[in-house]
Amino acid sequence: GQNIDQPTEMTATEGAIVQINCTYQTSGFNGLFWYQQHAGEAPTFLSYNVLDGLEEKGRFSSFLSRSKGYSYLLLKELQMKDSASYLCAVMDSNYQLIWGAGTKLIIKP
Amino acid sequence: IAGITQAPTSQILAAGRRMTLRCTQDMRHNAMYWYRQDLGLGLRLIHYSNTAGTTGKGEVPDGYSVSRANTDDFPLTLASAVPSQTSVYFCASSEAGGRDEQFFGPGTRLTVL
Repeated sequence: GQNIDQPTEMTATEGAIVQINCTYQTSGFNGLFWYQQHAGEAPTFLSYNVLDGLEEKGRFSSFLSRSKGYSYLLLKELQMKDSASYLCAVMDSNYQLIWGAGTKLIIKP
Repeated sequence: IAGITQAPTSQILAAGRRMTLRCTQDMRHNAMYWYRQDLGLGLRLIHYSNTAGTTGKGEVPDGYSVSRANTDDFPLTLASAVPSQTSVYFCASSEAGGRDEQFFGPGTRLTVL
């Protein structure tokens, strides 16, 4: 079966760095996406990785290792507005997204 | 309008009733999707459309139907609602499908009693 695993909840301090991990087992692989979802709102796109390595975009970076079925999202210089759920999704061989349940990130002052 | 709109924002529905959730995008995207989001679960794909005139089944299509008569609109119909269809429904679109980023509408919160 297809499976995406990520921690249910994480807590971090304003100004710090946090790493959210995602492991996956899917039928085929056409890339991995990270989305941010604030409570009561729609998901919004953060990053896309299809090749191994690190992609940096401002305070956010995303890493992929296809051989290990593993990705992480790194958030630096945390701000209160970063409190949200972070969704990991893998595009399978049918070009359909398989979604993890999301990691709720709580930022404390 | 800019982006994707969904209607209604929320709805309470009696079991057995028919309901259509509306979705319209103005980005001229070819691909559109319907997801449901339930607490503790990831988004699950209900139906999708890669281009106007075509539709396909996702992971959880039973009890739902869709149509794609034109590029902009992608309504989702529940023929006879059941309580297990209580969920938040998101419509999304992407420019060409495949690996393109998906843009999401604001969602419809549906409660079936």
